[in-house]
Amino acid sequence: NAGVTQTPKFQVLKTGQSMTLQCAQDMNHEYMSWYRQDPGMGLRLIHYSVGAGITDQGEVPNGYNVSRSTTEDFPLRLLSAAPSQTSVYFCASTGRGGRGHYNEQFFGPGTRLTVL
Amino acid sequence: GDSVTQMEGPVTLSEEAFLTINCTYTATGYPSLFWYVQYPGEGLQLLLKATKADDKGSNKGFEATYRKETTSFHLEKGSVQVSDSAVYFCALSPNAGNNRKLIWGLGTSLAVNP
Repeated sequence: NAGVTQTPKFQVLKTGQSMTLQCAQDMNHEYMSWYRQDPGMGLRLIHYSVGAGITDQGEVPNGYNVSRSTTEDFPLRLLSAAPSQTSVYFCASTGRGGRGHYNEQFFGPGTRLTVL
Repeated sequence: GDSVTQMEGPVTLSEEAFLTINCTYTATGYPSLFWYVQYPGEGLQLLLKATKADDKGSNKGFEATYRKETTSFHLEKGSVQVSDSAVYFCALSPNAGNNRKLIWGLGTSLAVNP
């Protein structure tokens, strides 16, 4: 299994540009999420999805869109990039184990985004 | 609301030193507690976990005990190695066994010198 994969690893954008960060997992996990990691602020949840066709907002959703057309993929779209979106972005997934409880979260390697 | 507080870093130790990273939490229910580790340039990975009071999680020589009376989950290792240099995150899941939404500490950076 490749686990959770993310592309690209690095990206530089100009203010106002749009782009999509890709995330895929091959573990058949129901739950997927996007975090951003900023110095001194830890991990903050942007959006999450509990299954194909279902998404919801996290703590800091403004400026980002998501969709979940398949179990495997959960792309994050920046509609009009701003310098405040300069960050490291992590995708994570988790699936159900025994008794229907969710297990640990698995993280991708991250995308380092700079917005000029 | 629920929260996690970790000791601030960076923490710098010599190889074979004893490590403690403090983590305390506030929660209204019966949370599960986790330590995740992030090695340079990588994503986070689960280091250990505990799902109920007095449980001890352990992995790779690291240990942490879920202390409900002190609302703590301190990470310890008896003898650190250079390869332990990383950022360590304490986290809680408000509902034990349902680890979708995690509440994170800010992370503690550890540097181990040879």
